[in-house]
Amino acid sequence: EADIYQTPRYLVIGTGKKITLECSQTMGHDKMYWYQQDPGMELHLIHYSYGVNSTEKGDLSSESTVSRIRTEHFPLTLESARPSHTSQYLCASTDLAGNTGELFFGEGSRLTVL
Amino acid sequence: QKEVEQNSGPLSVPEGAIASLNCTYSDRVSQSFFWYRQYSGKSPELIMSIYSNGDKEDGRFTAQLNKASQYVSLLIRDSQPSDSATYLCAVKTGGSYIPTFGRGTSLIVHP
Repeated sequence: EADIYQTPRYLVIGTGKKITLECSQTMGHDKMYWYQQDPGMELHLIHYSYGVNSTEKGDLSSESTVSRIRTEHFPLTLESARPSHTSQYLCASTDLAGNTGELFFGEGSRLTVL
Repeated sequence: QKEVEQNSGPLSVPEGAIASLNCTYSDRVSQSFFWYRQYSGKSPELIMSIYSNGDKEDGRFTAQLNKASQYVSLLIRDSQPSDSATYLCAVKTGGSYIPTFGRGTSLIVHP
């Protein structure tokens, strides 16, 4: 069973608020990812990291930012939330030492911006 | 642009039948192939991975890979209502750390 945790699981906030979605994994994985997914829709990669102090933007443009100060921690921040940011945010990690590329997903953070 | 194509469905099968889910990909250098299952409102979970041509079986699940034709499929034998979910196909090249996901196929297994 994967040990990757996301908090909060659900968040309802007003427009203009700053929010941080937390993601932590205890597997020592070096690669971590943030995906955005609307209900019934496909996964969109918004950020990824190959290790400490490494962050890159994904395929889908996002106003969010990420940081990777510690291997196990990959938080996502929205400085000023808007209703268009309403979505589910999924964090994932992988250890590619064996070059398998299998992703382990957290349970997700469902964000609603009013 | 790497592409992974799946029929969005829904694919509806009766309980006990074989469900066949298909996926095609465009990048010929793809090396790793994955099937994830995602229940409504939940996150994806890996159910099968396959790396070489042929079949790979795990319980009721069989993944089939044909690199020459650039397709990968997932067969679910003795389908159960609990198999009702969206199945995501993902493909990764050897030089990339980022898998490309398809849109997913919705499977409905009715009693």
